[in-house]
Amino acid sequence: QQPVQSPQAVILREGEDAVINCSSSKALYSVHWYRQKHGEAPVFLMILLKGGEQKGHDKISASFNEKKQQSSLYLTASQLSYSGTYFCGTERDGTSYGKLTFGQGTILTVHP
Amino acid sequence: SQTIHQWPATLVQPVGSPLSLECTVEGTSNPNLYWYRQAAGRGLQLLFYSVGIGQISSEVPQNLSASRPQDRQFILSSKKLLLSDSGFYLCAWSLTGGRDEQFFGPGTRLTVL
Repeated sequence: QQPVQSPQAVILREGEDAVINCSSSKALYSVHWYRQKHGEAPVFLMILLKGGEQKGHDKISASFNEKKQQSSLYLTASQLSYSGTYFCGTERDGTSYGKLTFGQGTILTVHP
Repeated sequence: SQTIHQWPATLVQPVGSPLSLECTVEGTSNPNLYWYRQAAGRGLQLLFYSVGIGQISSEVPQNLSASRPQDRQFILSSKKLLLSDSGFYLCAWSLTGGRDEQFFGPGTRLTVL
C-alpha cells in the first residue's frame, strides 16, 4: 500500500525550513528518503529503521514515529540545491529484500 | 567504488516491438537488484527485484519480464510493447535489503509510439 506524503509541494526562500511527512496505514520496518532532480536518478538521503536505527547524510535529519507509522524529513536552512522532488519509500516486513513502496513525492522549490 | 550503468539512455519504440534494457553493476558482489518504472510526474513503482542469479520476483503483473544471467547484470524485457509501457526505467542495487540504501542508475527514458 502506497505511503502518503504531505505536503504535495513546498516553496521556500533560501534559509527557510521545511518538513515533509510520510504516513503509512500499515506497520513499517523501514522508511527510506530520496531526492530526485528533474530527469535524474533519485539520490539517497536517509534510512530510518524500526527500533530507532538511522543512517544517512549528516546535513539531513529525520524521525520515525513507530506508533503512528509516520516519518518526517527536516530540511533546515534550505539551499538552492535542495530543490527537487522528495520521495519516501517504505518496507513493511524486513525480509531484507528491500521491496520499497514509494510515495507520490513532494516537490520542493527553493528560491534565492 | 561501486557504479551502476544503464543503457540505452533514451529509446523510442513503436507499439508491438520488443524491448531489452540492460543494467550492470561494478565494484560489488551479490547485490540485490531492482527495476523501477516512473511515469511522468509520478512516484517510483517497483517492477522486479532479484536477490541472486536466476532469482527474479515480480511485483506487478504486466507484459514485462526480467532476467539476471550474471551476478551483476539485470535485464528488463518485453516481447510486445504497449503505449502504457512508456516511462522512465530505473535500475537500482543495494547490499542487502531494507537496512541498506538503494543506489540508482541513470535511467532509460522509454517512449512507445
